[in-house]
Amino acid sequence: ILNVEQSPQSLHVQEGDSTNFTCSFPSSNFYALHWYRWETAKSPEALFVMTLNGDEKKKGRISATLNTKEGYSYLYIKGSQPEDSATYLCAFAGIVSVGGADGLTFGKGTHLIIQP
Amino acid sequence: DVKVTQSSRYLVKRTGEKVFLECVQDMDHENMFWYRQDPGLGLRLIYFSYDVKMKEKGDIPEGYSVSREKKERFSLILESASTNQTSMYLCASSRSGVQETQYFGPGTRLLVL
Repeated sequence: ILNVEQSPQSLHVQEGDSTNFTCSFPSSNFYALHWYRWETAKSPEALFVMTLNGDEKKKGRISATLNTKEGYSYLYIKGSQPEDSATYLCAFAGIVSVGGADGLTFGKGTHLIIQP
Repeated sequence: DVKVTQSSRYLVKRTGEKVFLECVQDMDHENMFWYRQDPGLGLRLIYFSYDVKMKEKGDIPEGYSVSREKKERFSLILESASTNQTSMYLCASSRSGVQETQYFGPGTRLLVL
């Protein structure tokens, strides 16, 4: 079983502040890194999929970077709003084995609470 | 919009019962997945399927089986439910390839008494 670590486990941030958190994953056999946002009582929703070392993706106030050589990705939220409160999950995809298929290995998530 | 639906939001079953969880997607996706989510453990992959009648074990397949007779439907079966299978079960689907976004259903919260 692959080791995908997210830190911190939980985070309280004041509204308007910016924040970031980390996803660490195996640097070998890398294929893709996914970020999802999971709000309470809803389904996880995709934010980004990144495949190339040095990738940077942006969606509104949320952005992510990827370093496949050292095995980490950062998610940044600029000017946090209460609606950003959610659990943020990253998921690692390794190189698909020949003739087979593979799923994602998820981290345990960072639980973000934005305080008004 | 992609839609993934699950047959029940909440289920209560007794130990030893056979339990079926159904998942349907409407986007003609090749891949379908079953996960369970437990506090402190995150989402863990139980089984996935990359084509009709094809299935692959995930990280925690013990005590579960799956069925994919039609492309749009992926069923998770608990052959003999046990209390340690009390959990939130999430289904997801995606196009072929692990770089493709997964779309999740609303989840089924299963309680086994």
